Amino acid sequence: DAGVIQSPRHEVTEMGQEVTLRCKPISGHDYLFWYRQTMMRGLELLIYFNNNVPIDDSGMPEDRFSAKMPNASFSTLKIQPSEPRDSAVYFCASSAYRDRDHEQYFGPGTRLTVT
Amino acid sequence: AQKITQTQPGMFVQEKEAVTLDCTYDTSDPSYGLFWYKQPSSGEMIFLIYQGSYDQQNATEGRYSLNFQKARKSANLVISASQLGDSAMYFCAMRVNQAGTALIFGKGTTLSVSS
Repeated sequence: DAGVIQSPRHEVTEMGQEVTLRCKPISGHDYLFWYRQTMMRGLELLIYFNNNVPIDDSGMPEDRFSAKMPNASFSTLKIQPSEPRDSAVYFCASSAYRDRDHEQYFGPGTRLTVT
Repeated sequence: AQKITQTQPGMFVQEKEAVTLDCTYDTSDPSYGLFWYKQPSSGEMIFLIYQGSYDQQNATEGRYSLNFQKARKSANLVISASQLGDSAMYFCAMRVNQAGTALIFGKGTTLSVSS
């Protein structure tokens, strides 16, 4: 299996622009998670989906952030408009309920820089 | 409130020595899972080991073992025979309640292995 795939790996954009991050989970996984990692706040959950349905979006910072999962193999995280404080590494992870450990497999992350 | 605490910002060890990375957790839920992830300088998150709250024995995975002390709410990671490639950031994480919920991460410990 190719693992969790994220694109782009790096994104540099100017304040005010729209940014879209993409994620393809591992085939057969029914949970998908978006995390954000910053020096100040560490790793924190933004939102997660179960069977394409958003379950918990309490970590989404504000209305500028939105996430969708139109099907089992694709999810997007959109920031509109972007701000410098959104600069971070954004990780997508997936897991399978059938797995005993329910370990989450992480993608390589997208490093976002907003200038 | 659920919380993971890693009190060691940095640890230093020599090659071939064993090292223990501390992790304490806080939850009132009787069902939970504890995870350790490794994040090398390249940035990816690598799953190392899992311990379920009802598991009777400490988890082991190769050179990694988890010293689970339920009464003390601690889940320390022990790395035996350290290698240079073990130099990385290590995160302790907890999943509470039903399978598939998001992970709560500690702030991490940076491990440096010297020759």
